[in-house]
Amino acid sequence: DTAVSQTPKYLVTQMGNDKSIKCEQNLGHDTMYWYKQDSKKFLKIMFSYNNKELIINETVPNRFSPKSPDKAHLNLHINSLELGDSAVYFCASSQEWGTSYEQYFGPGTRLTVT
Amino acid sequence: GDSVTQMEGPVTLSEEAFLTINCTYTATGYPSLFWYVQYPGEGLQLLLKATKADDKGSNKGFEATYRKETTSFHLEKGSVQVSDSAVYFCALSHTDMLTFGGGTRLMVKP
Repeated sequence: DTAVSQTPKYLVTQMGNDKSIKCEQNLGHDTMYWYKQDSKKFLKIMFSYNNKELIINETVPNRFSPKSPDKAHLNLHINSLELGDSAVYFCASSQEWGTSYEQYFGPGTRLTVT
Repeated sequence: GDSVTQMEGPVTLSEEAFLTINCTYTATGYPSLFWYVQYPGEGLQLLLKATKADDKGSNKGFEATYRKETTSFHLEKGSVQVSDSAVYFCALSHTDMLTFGGGTRLMVKP
């Protein structure tokens, strides 16, 4: 069983569209995250949720809205997609909120906006 | 704010060569330090970590020592294999937020 799964793996869409990426973890973890990796492989945290509550919201346009229906799921909805949103988006989870807990990453969703 | 700086890649080595990937950080206090590895087409996996000064993290032949005096966490391996070809990310964490370096691509040739 995959620990952290994301769907879809690839997403190609046009500017102005609205899309969602889903993430599920079966590890029983309390904390989940979304990261964005740009074309140069630079990784940046976007959001962090602990027990379904938003903990971190970095400087991300409000077109990006995370939703956590339960502890095992953290979905990312993006409105009015722009060319600059093209990137690989990674979901991750960790056991608890704390510095030394390993984060487990999903396989990524490659979003291409044309 | 916190930041992590890694040597730019790609680093190209022959099999069985010695590997060093430099990583330095800027942070207040005592962050935890990590190395993550990303194989082609996959997500990141934790390679090793250290949570306090002078700790040495090790895994799969890779090692890194938390050096507070030089604010460094360099990754080393004595003998690389073709299967080690990947992108390596150094990262630090104060709370639960990982701050990543830019990544270093390692290519190992047979």
